[in-house]
Parts: sequence; structure tokens; C-alpha cells
Amino acid sequence: DQQVKQNSPSLSVQEGRISILNCDYTNSMFDYFLWYKKYPAEGPTFLISISSIKDKNEDGRFTVFLNKSAKHLSLHIVPSQPGDSAVYFCAASEGTSGSRLTFGEGTQLTVNP
Amino acid sequence: DADVTQTPRNRITKTGKRIMLECSQTKGHDRMYWYRQDPGLGLRLIYYSFDVKDINKGEISDGYSVSRQAQAKFSLSLESAIPNQTALYFCATSDPRDHTDTQYFGPGTRLTVL
Repeated sequence: DQQVKQNSPSLSVQEGRISILNCDYTNSMFDYFLWYKKYPAEGPTFLISISSIKDKNEDGRFTVFLNKSAKHLSLHIVPSQPGDSAVYFCAASEGTSGSRLTFGEGTQLTVNP
Repeated sequence: DADVTQTPRNRITKTGKRIMLECSQTKGHDRMYWYRQDPGLGLRLIYYSFDVKDINKGEISDGYSVSRQAQAKFSLSLESAIPNQTALYFCATSDPRDHTDTQYFGPGTRLTVL
């Protein structure tokens, strides 16, 4: 069973507009959530994270929102830039599991100039 | 210089062959991980090691084995490769003193089993 799901395999937006990537999870024990970004021929790189005690975390153009009651999180990128084109993975961990991450399937974001 | 390196970067092999993928890190992290990525499935954990004497199975360990030769080195072996092990393999590291669970990934090894 897929405990972390990203239901949109791809997303295309115009440069300067907002990109919204979504992620749903089923495991109530998850208490830390992360977004990773992956370019072709490279490994994933950490982008932003959020603890379950918060509902929002912001870092420059990137903001992650967490809705625990809905078991849903989203990543907002404003404004989107062509260099943001990549695959974005949502990941989650249980606080006591010691860094074991469960990843979603990934969403390919394309930002068009 | 990359903090997490993987060798080889690409490998084509035949069914039944034994294959070893190697991972080295200069980050000084105690924790190391092996994942595989398949299209539409994201990254799935194969094995992880919290220190040199600690090895744990992940969600898809069948058909794989690992060796933690030193703090900096973590190898993944396919004892008898089969075609459905064709995938992109990633090694990662993390620091237990970092409570945010941030993992740092290598560039990946693309393995094709014919």
C-alpha cells in the first residue's frame, strides 16, 4: 500500500506563475514531511521540510503547507522559474523510526518560459 | 567534490550475474541508505545502516544484500541479478544529530539487467 501519494505525475506552469504540488498520506504516525527536488542524472536534493506541529513553513520562493486533519501537504513555488523544472518528491517520516523516509511517486514540474 | 559518490554510474549486466554497487561519503555521517527508483513508484528503501555494526532491511530487501565496510562505505550487492532489478539506485546519508531527518543523496547508478 502506498502510504505517501502524489496523484499528479506531471504539472506544467508558466514562468512567473504559482506552482502547487500536492501530496497525500495515510499513516497517522508520520510527523515530519520533506520535499526533495531531482534533476535528470542527479540524486534528489533536499528542498524544504515541515514538522507536524506546524501548518506552514516558508523558505524564499518555496512554502510548504500541512493539513493534518486532511493528511495533505502541498508545496507552493512563487514565482515559478524555468530552473524549477524537475521532479519533486514528497517524503514523510515517523519521529521514532530514525530517518526512515517513505517517498511519494514524484511529480514532474515543467515551467515554461 | 561530491560528498556522496556512487560507482559505477551505469552498468549493464546479464541475468544471473553478481553485481556490486558501491557508495562512499565524506560527510562523516553515521547513517547510510540504499534506495531504488522505478518509474511511477518513487524511491523505495532497500537497506539502511545506522552505524558500522548496524544493518537493517528496508521495504524491498529480497534479492539484495549489503556490507558496511567502514563509516564512509556502504555497498549493495545483487547476488543473482534478474531483469526486474533494472532500476536507478541511490545511496544516501544522514546525521543522527540532525533531527530533521534530512538525507543527502548520491548521483545514482543506472542498472540494466538483460
